[in-house]
Amino acid sequence: DTAVSQTPKYLVTQMGNDKSIKCEQNLGHDTMYWYKQDSKKFLKIMFSYNNKELIINETVPNRFSPKSPDKAHLNLHINSLELGDSAVYFCASSVRGVLDTQYFGPGTRLTVL
Amino acid sequence: GNSVTQMEGPVTLSEEAFLTINCTYTATGYPSLFWYVQYPGEGLQLLLKATKADDKGSNKGFEATYRKETTSFHLEKGSVQVSDSAVYFCALSDQESGGSNYKLTFGKGTLLTVNP
Repeated sequence: DTAVSQTPKYLVTQMGNDKSIKCEQNLGHDTMYWYKQDSKKFLKIMFSYNNKELIINETVPNRFSPKSPDKAHLNLHINSLELGDSAVYFCASSVRGVLDTQYFGPGTRLTVL
Repeated sequence: GNSVTQMEGPVTLSEEAFLTINCTYTATGYPSLFWYVQYPGEGLQLLLKATKADDKGSNKGFEATYRKETTSFHLEKGSVQVSDSAVYFCALSDQESGGSNYKLTFGKGTLLTVNP
């Protein structure tokens, strides 16, 4: 059973389009995260939700909007995609917060042409 | 603010060689420290962690000791294997300045390649 799953695994799209990435965890965790990993492997947190409530919102363009329909899902919607949005996006979850082990999904490689 | 500095990679070793990947941190509070590993094409996995000064985290032959006096959490392994080839990330979690939420801050990652 996949603990943290993301769809799609690869996403290739044109500049200006709107796209969504979905994340689901079956671990019963309360907290979920979105991270962005750039081409140099640098990893930076974007958002964190706890029990469907946004608790961390880093300096991310408001073209990025996370949505948590329930505790097990955290989706990421991106409007008006730009070249600089090309990256690998990772979803993660943990029991209560970052002091607990975070379990990462396999990542979604987004390429904006 | 909080930050993590890792040694620049890539690091290339022969099988059974000794590994050290240096990690130092800056934090305003009393952070917990982590090493995560990312194998090719996969997401990150926790390798080990330490939650207070002088704690030693260990897993799969890897070790790291939380040194508050030198603000360091260096990763070591006595004898690396080809299967250890991956990107290693040092990270800290600490309370956001002025806030009540904890945030994980990662170093830039160190690519390790182990040759047979």
